[in-house]
Amino acid sequence: KAGVTQTPRYLIKTRGQQVTLSCSPISGHRSVSWYQQTPGQGLQFLFEYFSETQRNKGNFPGRFSGRQFSNSRSEMNVSTLELGDSALYLCASSLGLRGTGGTEAFFGQGTRLTVV
Amino acid sequence: GESVGLHLPTLSVQEGDNSIINCAYSNSASDYFIWYKQESGKGPQFIIDIRSNMDKRQGQRVTVLLNKTVKHLSLQIAATQPGDSAVYFCAETLRGSNYQLIWGAGTKLIIKP
Repeated sequence: KAGVTQTPRYLIKTRGQQVTLSCSPISGHRSVSWYQQTPGQGLQFLFEYFSETQRNKGNFPGRFSGRQFSNSRSEMNVSTLELGDSALYLCASSLGLRGTGGTEAFFGQGTRLTVV
Repeated sequence: GESVGLHLPTLSVQEGDNSIINCAYSNSASDYFIWYKQESGKGPQFIIDIRSNMDKRQGQRVTVLLNKTVKHLSLQIAATQPGDSAVYFCAETLRGSNYQLIWGAGTKLIIKP
């Protein structure tokens, strides 16, 4: 059974650009969550999608957005990139919405975004 | 406000000894706790979880202890091995928060040969 796949693995962008990251969850998993990981802030929750709907959202500006497709694949978009957006972006999939069973989240290897 | 923090950023343990990684939380509404392990270049990997109606839960070589009185969580790893070298995160969810995970900063476990 394939794990969570994130693409690309590494990305370098310049300030002001926008970026789209992709996450393919484990087959059968319907919940996808996105996290930003930085050395100084640790893991910060961005948002969670379930059945193509955003169910939870963290405290990030509107430049960070996402969506989920009918096959549960998810994309995350960051517009008007800032230097502080440089981080490892992690995607996690779980069977169901957390708290309804299938709470365990499986993480991908992440996309390392560097903004210069 | 709610917070999850770790007492030590780095822990060095002799191979074969037991490791204890600690975590404190501040919100009494926290009702579910998870420990994750993150190896270099990889995403976090689920280790073990515990609900607030429990004090202890055991897995393979790992035990999680929850002390609700002092709002303290610990992860015990028995007979630490080189493969246990990683950053360990505790995370919590608050009752009524749609189970949004709140993460601690992480503790780096270093295994000495």
